[in-house]
Amino acid sequence: QVQLQESGPGLVKPSETLSLTCTVSGGSISGYYWCWMRQPPGKGLEWIGHIYYNGKTDYNPSLKSRVTIAVDTSKNQFSLKVRSVTAADTAVYYCARGNPDRIDALDVWGQGTMVTVSS
Amino acid sequence: DIQMTQSPSSLSASVGDRVTITCRASQSIGTYLNWYQQQPRKAPKVLIYAASSLESGVPSRFSGSGSGTDFTLTISSLQSEDLATYYCQQTYRTPYTFGQGTKLEIK
Repeated sequence: QVQLQESGPGLVKPSETLSLTCTVSGGSISGYYWCWMRQPPGKGLEWIGHIYYNGKTDYNPSLKSRVTIAVDTSKNQFSLKVRSVTAADTAVYYCARGNPDRIDALDVWGQGTMVTVSS
Repeated sequence: DIQMTQSPSSLSASVGDRVTITCRASQSIGTYLNWYQQQPRKAPKVLIYAASSLESGVPSRFSGSGSGTDFTLTISSLQSEDLATYYCQQTYRTPYTFGQGTKLEIK
């Protein structure tokens, strides 16, 4: 059974870079999209972007200038970087698997990790 | 971006009730529509994909319908464990946008 686990700092200073890693266990990275979402406290879900296992990326235009998603197939991991963060980037960040056999529905999710932007 | 609008934003229902949540897309998305359930303090999980396909392991009281711009999630007989916020998401075109959520409370 595939499981995802986010890791990274829970506190980031304003103007710095938020960096998170998602480790995929119990299955292969091949053949799927690997996605990042976020959810500010008390609010809804926002799709940040995804990377296909071959490295092709797609980002939300609202964040595209500040975001990079990368994949490391040798480690079965993918990562998220958000540059120049502000308080508005405070949120629970989720990694998830997008399944092309299910029209890219997000069929496996990590538990989420809270990231606070504050000095 | 494709805008997804859910209604209602919140609702309260009793155990055993039939519950319906709707989702409208700002343009036609065929059946590229998924439904998620987010229970309190948990990650979302997919219930329905491609508008009407039930994800493996999801109880059969959940069903989805619709195509084009209008979609519906139905819970045929509400259970106490269905307390959650429900989101629709389109995967027709990136960015893959979500609806604002429908918070379901149990009376």
